[in-house]
Amino acid sequence: DTAVSQTPKYLVTQMGNDKSIKCEQNLGHDTMYWYKQDSKKFLKIMFSYNNKELIINETVPNRFSPKSPDKAHLNLHINSLELGDSAVYFCASSQIRSYQETQYFGPGTRLLVL
Amino acid sequence: DQQVKQNSPSLSVQEGRISILNCDYTNSMFDYFLWYKKYPAEGPTFLISISSIKDKNEDGRFTVFLNKSAKHLSLHIVPSQPGDSAVYFCAAAGSNYKLTFGKGTLLTVNP
Repeated sequence: DTAVSQTPKYLVTQMGNDKSIKCEQNLGHDTMYWYKQDSKKFLKIMFSYNNKELIINETVPNRFSPKSPDKAHLNLHINSLELGDSAVYFCASSQIRSYQETQYFGPGTRLLVL
Repeated sequence: DQQVKQNSPSLSVQEGRISILNCDYTNSMFDYFLWYKKYPAEGPTFLISISSIKDKNEDGRFTVFLNKSAKHLSLHIVPSQPGDSAVYFCAAAGSNYKLTFGKGTLLTVNP
């Protein structure tokens, strides 16, 4: 009964490919997030959705597109993968849209672009 | 521009002693601060938080201290246990709904 789950856990792919990472939360939360942890270990927010509406969209390349089919799911699609996209991607959720709400993180997806 | 800095990449302490993890921030608009703990191959988990209207928050063995004038916060773990060995991330937030994380400090508690 994992609270926030991500698939796949590992993803190895060639430059130029298109890939998707899926995230699901069973906590009944309204808000979901995508974070990227790069080689320098910083965790940086990429996107946030509240009730399927995009509320945070950081400066990320257009090749990254989040999609929220419903409140419990937030998927991340990446087009034309580049070497610099190699990182760990974390999905998270919180009950409501508030920075004082605890965010619950998934286990991460380790993406390696060759 | 690192708005949240954890200048010690690692810290090693003996079991039973105090662990002190430090964090500095530069953005005066931050008014809420959190610590997350992360084990290898897992996502971060929330540990403790503090609002800028307080200077101390305690939860069991964990205490967070906030010094607003110095833009500094610290996490104290007393007594430290081997199971506390993990990466600890400091995070800060303001009204823009975003969490800004530091790079993390790897804490190793030796038995």
